[in-house]
Amino acid sequence: QVQLQQSGPRLVKPSQTLSLTCVISGDSVSSDRAAWNWIRQSPSRGLEWLGRIKYRSKWYNDYAVSVKSRITINPDTSKNQFSLQLNSVTPEDTAVYYCAKGYCSGGSCYHFDYWGQGTLVTVSS
Amino acid sequence: QSVLTQPPSASGTPGQRVTISCSGSSSNIGTNYAYWYQQLPGTAPHSLIYSNNQRPSGVPDRFSGSKSGTSASLAISGLRSEDEADYYCAAWDDSLNGWVFGGGTRLTVL
Repeated sequence: QVQLQQSGPRLVKPSQTLSLTCVISGDSVSSDRAAWNWIRQSPSRGLEWLGRIKYRSKWYNDYAVSVKSRITINPDTSKNQFSLQLNSVTPEDTAVYYCAKGYCSGGSCYHFDYWGQGTLVTVSS
Repeated sequence: QSVLTQPPSASGTPGQRVTISCSGSSSNIGTNYAYWYQQLPGTAPHSLIYSNNQRPSGVPDRFSGSKSGTSASLAISGLRSEDEADYYCAAWDDSLNGWVFGGGTRLTVL
């Protein structure tokens, strides 16, 4: 059974960097049958996919167009976790942030089959 | 404004059958699978239907999914009070090179 445990600050000041970590148990961040995603949810924007990382002999990233200039998702194989960094945040980035595992098979990725518990991050001075 | 379009609300009485629609385009549902997620109050979404019409283990067969062209539908038969939740559709979008979601449909069991 896969479990995803999120951690990170819940309050971030405008213009600073939002940083969250997702610790994986029951699977590996280096699995070639998974993609590791960050998704956020707010009343104004609904569910919004931010990006993902996956390992297929080397590391690959995909990022949403809306945040591509500000986002970095990195793996940490020594701790079996992955992280989100979102730079230059504004109050518009206030949301519940989720990490989620994407099930992948045969070179394609499918649904998000496991989710973290969610972290409400507020951007405010 | 979400890429996929869902009705904001739906309702039904216990035992009824309800359907929720999801409209997309040729770059998402038209060429890729549709997915459905259920979000109970105060919890993270969880997978309800994957690859248009497949149910993860543990999801009752009262839930079913279908796809036609650039639209998908979620049907819930034998409606129960515990089905009261928000439902979201999703798909991979080839033009955006990313996952897109619908705005969500709040289901009320009357």
